[in-house]
Amino acid sequence: QVQLVQSGAEVKKPGASVKVSCKASGYTFTSYYMHWVRQAPGQGLEWMGIINPSSGSTAYAQKFQGRLTMTRDTSTSIVYMELSSLRSEDTAVYYCARGGNGDYSQTGDYWGQGTLVTVSS
Amino acid sequence: QTVVTQEPSLTVSPGGTVTLTCASSTGAVTSGYYPNWFQQKPGQTPRALIYSTSNKQSWTPARFSGSLLGGKAALTLSGVQPEDEAEYYCLLYYGGAWVFGGGTKLTVL
Repeated sequence: QVQLVQSGAEVKKPGASVKVSCKASGYTFTSYYMHWVRQAPGQGLEWMGIINPSSGSTAYAQKFQGRLTMTRDTSTSIVYMELSSLRSEDTAVYYCARGGNGDYSQTGDYWGQGTLVTVSS
Repeated sequence: QTVVTQEPSLTVSPGGTVTLTCASSTGAVTSGYYPNWFQQKPGQTPRALIYSTSNKQSWTPARFSGSLLGGKAALTLSGVQPEDEAEYYCLLYYGGAWVFGGGTKLTVL
């Protein structure tokens, strides 16, 4: 069965970086895009970016340009999301969510359990 | 800055029918925006319901349907159940970027 398992909660100081991992299993890792989505406390969902695990190519929401880096390790079927220059507004639950199989029509059929990132001095 | 707009809240009676909509600040929503719909209950991870306008996930109950309606994406719930009370989010594709709507809080009362 498809599973996305994320790394544990993080507490970071303003200005620091955080790197969250998402380990995929139960399907061919390189065949499906992977999205990252975040949700601040009591707020809605926010799309952050997408990575093609096969090629490593990425696309990021304009809001995160310059601060966000997504990478993958095909040997371990893990995708990573690194966000730098953290500020308090980045406090949120971060999710990985599987994308389409070579197309963009389907997003988020499977989600990781979420990783709480708290930014506080 | 592209904005996707949903009704902030809707109330429906058990057994009733309700339609949630999803509008784009760029104009009419078409199938090319690949509308997706998600359900999220408090404390839970979002769950996918509909993709590419009207296609259901294998686990999506038959009472949920997706469509395009009056230039918007729409999610219709027919024969609403108490367990359908949740937050619903739409997601639209903008050629290399995706944008979520602000969500609709559906109350079943």
